[in-house]
Parts: sequence; C-alpha cells; structure tokens
Amino acid sequence: GAVVSQHPSWVICKSGTSVKIECRSLDFQATTMFWYRQFPKQSLMLMATSNEGSKATYEQGVEKDKFLINHASLTLSTLTVTSAHPEDSSFYICSAREQGNQPQHFGDGTRLSIL
Amino acid sequence: RKEVEQDPGPFNVPEGATVAFNCTYSNSASQSFFWYRQDCRKEPKLLMSVYSSGNEDGRFTAQLNRASQYISLLIRDSKLSDSATYLCVVNLNDMRFGAGTRLTVKP
Repeated sequence: GAVVSQHPSWVICKSGTSVKIECRSLDFQATTMFWYRQFPKQSLMLMATSNEGSKATYEQGVEKDKFLINHASLTLSTLTVTSAHPEDSSFYICSAREQGNQPQHFGDGTRLSIL
Repeated sequence: RKEVEQDPGPFNVPEGATVAFNCTYSNSASQSFFWYRQDCRKEPKLLMSVYSSGNEDGRFTAQLNRASQYISLLIRDSKLSDSATYLCVVNLNDMRFGAGTRLTVKP
C-alpha cells in the first residue's frame, strides 16, 4: 500500500526553537499534502493544504507566518513551527494524496513537546 | 452544522458483537467517502472506501446513502483488535474528518 514517511517522530525542545518536520511520499507522487494537528482526546484538525509548487492554503485561525509549509516536490513537504512555545506542543500529522478523489495516506505523526 | 458528524460514543461491546457506526455530512456535492481507524497515539489508517452500491471487506460493511447524506460502517463478529476510534471522512476538494467514534471491544 501507499507509504508516507514522516520525520522526526518525536521532538523535545526549548521554547523559542524552530522545529522542522518532513513528510515524504515514498511510492507515489503526491500532488497534494495536508498537515494536521491533534491534541489529546480531540479530533484531527486540518492546519493547511499544500499543492506542489504553490503556496499552502491555511485554515482559518492558523498563522501562516508561524507554521511555514514548503511543498517543493511531488514527494516532499515540510512544516516548520517557528519560535515554538509550550502551547504548540501537539501531535502533528501529515498526509498525502495522489489525485483528487483518492484517499489520503498518513505519516506516522510527530509528537512535539516544547518545554 | 458540522461538515461531518459522528456519534462520539464510546461504544463498549463484547467480543463477537455486531456494531454499527453512523455518519452524516452536510455538503451534498461531496464526491468520495472513507472510513479510517485511529489507534491511540497513532496516525489514522485507511480502513475502506465507501461506494454508493455498498461494499464489504471481510467483517466490515460500508454503506452510503447520498440522498440522506449518510454513511455507515458495520462491524460483525467484533474482535478485541477492533478497539480504536473510527473516523468518517468525506472528500470534496479536500478531506473533512468527523470527530470519530470510539469503540472498545471487551472479552
């Protein structure tokens, strides 16, 4: 089946640090990648949608200058949490989709803990 | 109204039971539909797509009613390993997830 790799799986760092998370589709070309955040016992919340070669579309309430998304190729998207603070601590999950009506396939997720 | 609504549960059932989850969606133009399962502290994994004619995969049966904007998932002969949160997903231009229905199957 389709494989999406996300790295790193766990990050612990100090407040004020910027953290970069990578999302790669390993066996298909992802025209669209998605970034989600999930707080404990809550549902997935879509943060942004990115299409290869164009700017990401952010959901309402998500600061684009804080959560920088780059989708430079059909197999790689990155999310950078800039100047992270404890309230940014969460489970961040990416997903990738080959075409419009195809299902999304998720990465393993990144647990971000800001001290 | 939420775009995708699910009964949050929890559903606590004994092994071997049959359990059904329901989901409704608000946008009639939605084009494709899926069920995902998410284990605690893990990423969602695709369980099955949902087709208008209904489809079955082993113990799992999915149904779609476009007129009522309603999707269902039936699990027969529940196993302990079925314990998870089941997410209803509706796709238009992007995928919208329900909040999930938590299932616990007990011995």
